[in-house]
Amino acid sequence: DAKTTQPTSMDCAEGRAANLPCNHSTISGNEYVYWYRQIHSQGPQYIIHGLKNNETNEMASLIITEDRKSSTLILPHATLRDTAVYYCIVMYNNDMRFGAGTRLTVKP
Amino acid sequence: EPEVTQTPSHQVTQMGQEVILRCVPISNHLYFYWYRQILGQKVEFLVSFYNNEISEKSEIFDDQFSVERPDGSNFTLKIRSTKLEDSAMYFCASSEAGAGLMSYEQYFGPGTRLTVT
Repeated sequence: DAKTTQPTSMDCAEGRAANLPCNHSTISGNEYVYWYRQIHSQGPQYIIHGLKNNETNEMASLIITEDRKSSTLILPHATLRDTAVYYCIVMYNNDMRFGAGTRLTVKP
Repeated sequence: EPEVTQTPSHQVTQMGQEVILRCVPISNHLYFYWYRQILGQKVEFLVSFYNNEISEKSEIFDDQFSVERPDGSNFTLKIRSTKLEDSAMYFCASSEAGAGLMSYEQYFGPGTRLTVT
């Protein structure tokens, strides 16, 4: 599975959009990009995933570049409850490998 | 909304003892997983399970570990002869479909905190 690179931490003001970048330059054609988050010590929570096209659901939007070497998760109106570690994962097989993720802190 | 449940929430055991961690996956899901997270470290994949057999396992999942789906609802992780370094949060997850398919997102349970003393 391709490796990903994410910033260690980011801050965002409450009510503003949070844009979390992820680089995955070695992604192969059949690998999906998945985003999960983990709030404190809870189980990871699925957010969104995509292959080539941009995706949007009730939680977030996922923007994937045309060459698929990077992506951005967008939380359109961040709240304090969105403070968490966000993981970008690319995979095709059944074993999901988590990295260190980005610790997003939403501030009042 | 359906969710993955895990019991117990916290298990304390002595070194050398066997423990069984239990999970009830989402009812229409066919793929099941175990992960662990040592305190302060990243989430690590242990094993995936489909059609009553292991489909993939990591290097962590050695002979000390085993998984079973003893009935139509439970999915268990057994750790034989626990070691101090087995202390961690253990997360169960399930998914509707397997890798490469659109409905592959995994849904995680709240975890079992295992403390080996």
